[in-house]
Parts: sequence; C-alpha cells; structure tokens
Amino acid sequence: DQQVKQNSPSLSVQEGRISILNCDYTNSMFDYFLWYKKYPAEGPTFLISISSIKDKNEDGRFTVFLNKSAKHLSLHIVPSQPGDSAVYFCAASAGTGAQKLVFGQGTRLTINP
Amino acid sequence: GAVVSQHPSRVICKSGTSVKIECRSLDFQATTMFWYRQFPKKSLMLMATSNEGSKATYEQGVEKDKFLINHASLTLSTLTVTSAHPEDSSFYICSARGKNYGYTFGSGTRLTVV
Repeated sequence: DQQVKQNSPSLSVQEGRISILNCDYTNSMFDYFLWYKKYPAEGPTFLISISSIKDKNEDGRFTVFLNKSAKHLSLHIVPSQPGDSAVYFCAASAGTGAQKLVFGQGTRLTINP
Repeated sequence: GAVVSQHPSRVICKSGTSVKIECRSLDFQATTMFWYRQFPKKSLMLMATSNEGSKATYEQGVEKDKFLINHASLTLSTLTVTSAHPEDSSFYICSARGKNYGYTFGSGTRLTVV
C-alpha cells in the first residue's frame, strides 16, 4: 500500500525554467509534508516542508503547495539550475512528536543547459 | 545546523558475517533514530524506529533478529546486519530527530555482501 506516490519517475527541464514535481497521498491523517533532494550514494537533504494548516510555503527558489482536498502537493523550483539535477522525494508524517516519515518513490529531475 | 554522521559509507563483507553500521548525531541529542533501506531506483523503506534506551520498533516484514538496532545513548544508534547474505546488499540510511530538531539524515552506507 503506497501511501505517498510520486507518479513521475523522471522529469527533464531546461535551465532557467520552472520545475514542478508532484506528489499524492492517500492517508488523511498526514499533517506534515517534506521534500528531500538526494544524490546517488548519499543521504537525503532536507529542502522544504509544509504543515497541513498552510497551503503554501516558500524558501528562495523553492515553493511547496499543498492541496488538502485533493491530497496533493507539489514542489516548484524556479529558476531551475543544473545543480538541481537529483532525485527528489516527498515524504509525509502523521501526528506530533517523532513520527516516522513515509516516502514517495522519488522523481529524477534533470536540468538541461 | 544539525549533523548526522554515518559510518562506514561503504562496506563489503562475506556471506555469513555480521556488519555494524553506526549513526551519530554530532550536535544535538537524538531522542529518536530511524533506519531506512533503499533498493536501487526505489523509495526509502523504513525498517525500524528506536528511542533512546528502548527497544526498537520494527516495521512489518523486517526481521528483528537479523537487523539488530541499538540506541544506547542520545547520540549513537547502531544497526547490525547479522549473518549477512547477498540479498541484504542495499543502501542503508539513518535519520535522527531530537527536541527542536527535525529529521536529519546520515550520508548512508552501501553494503555489499559477497
């Protein structure tokens, strides 16, 4: 049962354009969502998060949008840079405290010069 | 910022031997540690959650006698893969969380069992 889904295994975007990565979830108890960036043979690096009480959170070039009714979130990167090429994972947790994260399958983003 | 150090980054071992992976929180107290496993081109699958001084809670399908987790202090957790077999070859990642600190991941360990 895949509670967090990233249906696009890969995405290719031209440098300078906007990258939009999507994530869907099924568990309505999830109330905290995170995006991580991962390079091969390295651990995930935190990018940005959003609580279910918000519908948007922005940090520099990264913006996360949350649509609770659709159980959908997206990560926007603008402008995209070659260094953004990596695998991006969305993750979700439910409840307060040190709750476990449930990860999506990841989307490989490639930024073309 | 919060830093989690994971060692070794790579290890090759013979089938039947045991391997220990360490995960340390360097600048914060990790009240909870999570251990993940990632198969090639797959998501991160949670194996177990451990709280300092308590027994780990394993996810369904994870053999607790094969994957021994110890969280003896607020800065150190270890994962020991016992009697390793080639199918245990994978990328293992730890994550630590403490009071006022979010989920911080280690750099991962590539285990190859030959």
